[in-house]
Amino acid sequence: AQTVTQSQPEMSVQEAETVTLSCTYDTSENNYYLFWYKQPPSRQMILVIRQEAYKQQNATENRFSVNFQKAAKSFSLKISDSQLGDTAMYFCAFYTNAGKSTFGDGTTLTVKP
Amino acid sequence: GAGVSQSPSNKVTEKGKDVELRCDPISGHTALYWYRQSLGQGLEFLIYFQGNSAPDKSGLPSDRFSAERTGGSVSTLTIQRTQQEDSAVYLCASSLALLLAGGQYNEQFFGPGTRLTVL
Repeated sequence: AQTVTQSQPEMSVQEAETVTLSCTYDTSENNYYLFWYKQPPSRQMILVIRQEAYKQQNATENRFSVNFQKAAKSFSLKISDSQLGDTAMYFCAFYTNAGKSTFGDGTTLTVKP
Repeated sequence: GAGVSQSPSNKVTEKGKDVELRCDPISGHTALYWYRQSLGQGLEFLIYFQGNSAPDKSGLPSDRFSAERTGGSVSTLTIQRTQQEDSAVYLCASSLALLLAGGQYNEQFFGPGTRLTVL
């Protein structure tokens, strides 16, 4: 079984600054996939960024990037130049190649003007 | 439609009653997923369909929960004899397939969810 831990229930950041959300996981699998999702108050889940465990290079998507440390089982999300629209709950998720997934409990991020 | 749709958006029921939740995936998406999200919590994986078949049903919380998918499209999640602990938002997602040819995981597109309240 997999576990995903997000140790920061709440975080805040000033607009235009950088923030890092942490995520650690535990698994015995070798092939897996890691995702960060954003869930604003509208409840709509939106994919932020994904990382295949077999890739050593950290994924980046515009202002979003990850620091994937496979040996440490760590998958943190860095948001640069934070914007007010980034305010949301962020979930880290672990997927197996059999379609099953495990989500963390989320980090509520508030971007302050 | 352009996205995943779910109905109803809200459902209030009495303890002991059965409920059916419906998911319409994006046209052409062969993979479909059901999740449950309790208040302030992350998503709990329930079941995954590839086409009409569900390879693993072990994520369903109890034998009161069942899901089916017909014609490779619409899926229904049925909860029998509802209990108060079943109250949650039930989310559905779909994707083109589980994995792309190169081994990359396909993006899942989520519906707006059904909020179930069991009184």
